[in-house]
Amino acid sequence: SAVISQKPSRDICQRGTSLTIQCQVDSQVTMMFWYRQQPGQSLTLIATANQGSEATYESGFVIDKFPISRPNLTFSTLTVSNMSPEDSSIYLCSVGYLAGGLDEQFFGPGTRLTVL
Amino acid sequence: GDSVTQMEGPVTLSEEAFLTINCTYTATGYPSLFWYVQYPGEGLQLLLKATKADDKGSNKGFEATYRKETTSFHLEKGSVQVSDSAVYFCALSVRTGANNLFFGTGTRLTVIP
Repeated sequence: SAVISQKPSRDICQRGTSLTIQCQVDSQVTMMFWYRQQPGQSLTLIATANQGSEATYESGFVIDKFPISRPNLTFSTLTVSNMSPEDSSIYLCSVGYLAGGLDEQFFGPGTRLTVL
Repeated sequence: GDSVTQMEGPVTLSEEAFLTINCTYTATGYPSLFWYVQYPGEGLQLLLKATKADDKGSNKGFEATYRKETTSFHLEKGSVQVSDSAVYFCALSVRTGANNLFFGTGTRLTVIP
């Protein structure tokens, strides 16, 4: 397993501003993902963070709104840009391993974002 | 497309009661199936998983059997405890190598003494 930390754990932001969320893992991992959990809803994958290249976004999510960086195998950031109240959600990063075909993911504690 | 349909909650049970949370899936390939749990104030944790038909995943007294014929992966526990109070998510993964997870909507379980 992996120990995953996220910063900040929560924030309250004003409409039109941007917030960058950090995800740190205690070991090198193959895959890193960013999810959104809107109030009362399930988790939706935003993108896969690729080390050294552009992130792979899921349908409905674009780089201009959710720029992602992954400079190395233990760290990634997600920015929520030009925020609106509809962006109020919990944002979670997760990590996965490809070694031996393992298809399990481990999740960080999440960042609770409220946009006023 | 790939999706998971999960029993809606909330579910409230007395301690030592039997628990079933239903989960059915739709997948284009051969998915792996998971149950994740989110305890109050904590992140998601993998509870159990099954990677092929008829596999049974089990952990902490919880069990779920991968039923391909009914496309189901229902979560069961014979005797729940107050400490089992949490939100439970059913999920599937079909994309080999990318490990993309599709989640159900989650079921909140409250166990009362």
